[in-house]
Amino acid sequence: AQSVSQHNHHVILSEAASLELGCNYSYGGTVNLFWYVQYPGQHLQLLLKYFSGDPLVKGIKGFEAEFIKSKFSFNLRKPSVQWSDTAEYFCAVNVVRDTGRRALTFGSGTRLQVQP
Amino acid sequence: EAQVTQNPRYLITVTGKKLTVTCSQNMNHEYMSWYRQDPGLGLRQIYYSMNVEVTDKGDVPEGYKVSRKEKRNFPLILESPSPNQTSLYFCASSPTGREQYFGPGTRLTVT
Repeated sequence: AQSVSQHNHHVILSEAASLELGCNYSYGGTVNLFWYVQYPGQHLQLLLKYFSGDPLVKGIKGFEAEFIKSKFSFNLRKPSVQWSDTAEYFCAVNVVRDTGRRALTFGSGTRLQVQP
Repeated sequence: EAQVTQNPRYLITVTGKKLTVTCSQNMNHEYMSWYRQDPGLGLRQIYYSMNVEVTDKGDVPEGYKVSRKEKRNFPLILESPSPNQTSLYFCASSPTGREQYFGPGTRLTVT
């Protein structure tokens, strides 16, 4: 079965530190990849997405992610985090199932805490 | 403003008392889905709809029902709620079925 793994469950960084959150998925076909962010008490917001083309994608708020097909990975990066980046981050993969159903499969999330 | 709305935002109920959580989107999206979010499990899809009158089960459909009589609305129905359905529920819509836009969430507690 398809799965998405986020290996870092809780990350604590100081402001201005660099961030990299890992995401690996298990699916051999064509995938669409996403990172969502959930700020405390808020709904999920789309940070960035990858459908095809340049494997390095840039999103909002200075985030970027790199798709490495050979490693089945889609890691999220930011060169310098801010206190306002404190949130939970979810990696998600969208595929078309055998029934034709499109669904996002989410990782379990990474809680990022940025200390001032 | 383009958005997905859900009501109620918070709900406490008792086992067995039927309830409905409404979801509405104003973006004319064809795809709509319901997810539940549980700690350590991320989000899991409950049901989805590809268009009016077209719905299908997601990964965790047991204990839930949905209907799609209008394009903008996609209510989630719990006929006989149980404590294991205590969760945070999100409705989402999508123009293509790929990237999805989420509502604010409904926190449900079943006692």
